[in-house]
Amino acid sequence: EAGVTQSPTHLIKTRGQQATLRCSPISGHTSVYWYQQALGLGLQFLLWYDEGEERNRGNFPPRFSGRQFPNYSSELNVNALELEDSALYLCASSFLYPVSGANVLTFGAGSRLTVL
Amino acid sequence: AQTVTQSQPEMSVQEAETVTLSCTYDTSESNYYLFWYKQPPSRQMILVIRQEAYKQQNATENRFSVNFQKAAKSFSLKISDSQLGDTAMYFCAFMNRDDKIIFGKGTRLHILP
Repeated sequence: EAGVTQSPTHLIKTRGQQATLRCSPISGHTSVYWYQQALGLGLQFLLWYDEGEERNRGNFPPRFSGRQFPNYSSELNVNALELEDSALYLCASSFLYPVSGANVLTFGAGSRLTVL
Repeated sequence: AQTVTQSQPEMSVQEAETVTLSCTYDTSESNYYLFWYKQPPSRQMILVIRQEAYKQQNATENRFSVNFQKAAKSFSLKISDSQLGDTAMYFCAFMNRDDKIIFGKGTRLHILP
């Protein structure tokens, strides 16, 4: 079974440009989460999608947006890139209502965004 | 708002020793879940262990166990007989009822040969 896949692995952009990151969840998972992992800041929650809808959003400006497609894959868009957006962006997927009662996340390997 | 604090940014222990990573959290809720995730140098995050707050018994997964102190809002991870492959960044995480999972800043653990 394929895990959570993210693309691209690395992305280099300049200030003011837009970046698009993609995530394919594990087959059967309907929820997709996005996290930003900047150096020294741990994982900061960005967005949570399920069944095509945004379920929750972290404390990030509106230039961070995304969407989830009918096949449950997801896209994260970052507009008007700033230097501090340089980070590893992690995608994770899960069931919305897991049998176990605990929503265990399965993570992808991440997309490293560098803003110059 | 819920917060997760990991007070040890970095730790080093000798192989085969036991190490404990600390985690405290703040919440006003009574029912929640706690997790420890591991991020090896290859970057892929994987679940180490999880604990339901309504369960008093501490979770155990092979060499990994937790000390869950609900009143103190403490959730430490103990790694017994540590191995070189345990070298990684370890994140403590909290899940509240709206399913948003909050992570601490992590503890970088080095297992020394």
